[in-house]
Amino acid sequence: AQSVTQPDIHITVSEGASLELRCNYSYGATPYLFWYVQSPGQGLQLLLKYFSGDTLVQGIKGFEAEFKRSQSSFNLRKPSVHWSDAAEYFCAVGATGGGNKLTFGTGTQLKVEL
Amino acid sequence: NAGVMQNPRHLVRRRGQEARLRCSPMKGHSHVYWYRQLPEEGLKFMVYLQKENIIDESGMPKERFSAEFPKEGPSILRIQQVVRGDSAAYFCASSVNSGSTDTQYFGPGTRLTVL
Repeated sequence: AQSVTQPDIHITVSEGASLELRCNYSYGATPYLFWYVQSPGQGLQLLLKYFSGDTLVQGIKGFEAEFKRSQSSFNLRKPSVHWSDAAEYFCAVGATGGGNKLTFGTGTQLKVEL
Repeated sequence: NAGVMQNPRHLVRRRGQEARLRCSPMKGHSHVYWYRQLPEEGLKFMVYLQKENIIDESGMPKERFSAEFPKEGPSILRIQQVVRGDSAAYFCASSVNSGSTDTQYFGPGTRLTVL
């Protein structure tokens, strides 16, 4: 069965600093990978997704993620964090067998210090 | 194009009552997914529906929970005889197709509190 691990429950960075959120997945085949962001009291917004091709994926709001098959990782990065990036970030893996059921990690809560 | 709509946004029920959560998918989307988010946890898949059909309910609790997506109207997630452990945020997502590469768009969620 597929699974996703986000090892960091909380991360605090200063505004303007770089950011990397870790995500490791377990899946038997080529995974479909997603990063979502959830602001307090809101639903989830898709930041970016990886299906195939270039392993470096660009998303919205200046985020990018790199798929590394050898490390089973799909870490999210941003070169310079803004205070408005404070939110909870979820990594998810999709089933390649159809149906599009997503398996989510437990999330990483990002706090941005001014 | 309006996003995924969910209502109510907040729902309070006493133990033993019924909870009905509604989800209207984005226009043109015929695939609906329900997820549950317990406190301090990630989202867990519950059920996947197309119009008038339940495709995958592998994440649904065996008792008290049911879901439907009728030909007309919103998708409904129904919880009978709620218990305190049902307190959670319930999110609905929709997609155009069912392919694994199709993006799921999420609604704002319904936060259920069971007293």
